Amino acid sequence: SYVLTQPPSVSVAPGQTASISCGGNNIGGKSVHWYQQRPGQAPVLVIYDDHDRPSGIPERFSGSNSGNTATLTISGVEAGDEADYFCHVSDLSTHHQIFGGGTRLTVL
Amino acid sequence: QVQLVQSGAEVKKPGASVKVSCKASGYTFTSYDVNWVRQATGQGLEWMGWMNTKTGNTNYVEKFQGRVTMTRDTSMNTAYLELTSLRSDDTAIYYCARRYSSGWYDVFDSWGQGTQVTVSS
Repeated sequence: SYVLTQPPSVSVAPGQTASISCGGNNIGGKSVHWYQQRPGQAPVLVIYDDHDRPSGIPERFSGSNSGNTATLTISGVEAGDEADYFCHVSDLSTHHQIFGGGTRLTVL
Repeated sequence: QVQLVQSGAEVKKPGASVKVSCKASGYTFTSYDVNWVRQATGQGLEWMGWMNTKTGNTNYVEKFQGRVTMTRDTSMNTAYLELTSLRSDDTAIYYCARRYSSGWYDVFDSWGQGTQVTVSS
């Protein structure tokens, strides 16, 4: 079965840029989505189809996907960005869904 | 606006069953499939399966086959998840999520607030 690999944690100082990776075999050929989950809250979609932002998501959030790695980038990190971030892909033939293990973003 | 509102927390004994509801509003309920995802404390997201809200057809993760049932009441715009033969490792927050399918991808664009299910003797 398809596996998505994320680093358990990433730390960044306020105002800096955070990059969170999501590795998978030829993930560049898939559409990748990213969810933010703040403590005690439900996940929220922040990036879909590799790099698109839902309405209401700040432009500071961006995404890219190529080869075996997809990346979520958060520029000008704020304290409120501290959360867990999950990547997600799907098998369209079966509508089965795969999540990465999640990355805890800590704002120093 | 799109909203998914789930039922309240449950405490169950091992071997019991639990049924969680997910009431949709702000869109046409039968135009989007509902998926269920659970999350144990401090753990990642575990996808459980999905239901076609128009037809009632379901597709469950093999791990849960035989223990899980997803249903819906279209008159109430509500989806249900029932899990039987509960074990301690079923203790988790259970989320419903609306799935948007573009033909090129599936994405969960709206989530319920989550329902804590605790299994304890």
